[in-house]
Amino acid sequence: SQQGEEDPQALSIQEGENATMNCSYKTSINNLQWYRQNSGRGLVHLILIRSNEREKHSGRLRVTLDTSKKSSSLLITASRAADTASYFCATDPRYRDMRFGAGTRLTVKP
Amino acid sequence: DVKVTQSSRYLVKRTGEKVFLECVQDMDHENMFWYRQDPGLGLRLIYFSYDVKMKEKGDIPEGYSVSREKKERFSLILESASTNQTSMYLCASSRGTYNEQFFGPGTRLTVL
Repeated sequence: SQQGEEDPQALSIQEGENATMNCSYKTSINNLQWYRQNSGRGLVHLILIRSNEREKHSGRLRVTLDTSKKSSSLLITASRAADTASYFCATDPRYRDMRFGAGTRLTVKP
Repeated sequence: DVKVTQSSRYLVKRTGEKVFLECVQDMDHENMFWYRQDPGLGLRLIYFSYDVKMKEKGDIPEGYSVSREKKERFSLILESASTNQTSMYLCASSRGTYNEQFFGPGTRLTVL
């Protein structure tokens, strides 16, 4: 069963704008991760946030986690055309395997 | 540079054939995973392994089996391929617990 659900399913913005994607999950977690997938390729890890953290930054990425609401958000600031990809959140209901959502398809128009 | 490789990028097989998908990682990771990815459904876990010769079922193991004879290699086997197994198959590996997964490029399998 899918653990994470991303929202929106698709997002289209102009270059330079910020993009925000949300993830909701169902059970308690140890950490939450965000991945990116370029079309037809494997996933690439972006950032991991632990259950005792509320916010984390990595370059133009900002991730927040609200365990009381079982939700997370990924903010990409000053987006670029090269950010066009699908973004997935993943959670770990057990300790070694993860569950992924269906992803948010982000299109950044030049 | 860490790497997960998959034996084929594209594969076309016929219904009823036995299909082997191979995955190799060079990072000495204990954990390895097989997912399938379908539009609108995201990634669904088929099987995973946390040690040589160990395997655990994921969410959709039916119609699949796996083999892990060596730490670096994890094989996914479709005993008798069916058209509903047409999909993108992704392999991943990770170290220890609660850590990021490294993905291979994927194998797009078409079963005719």
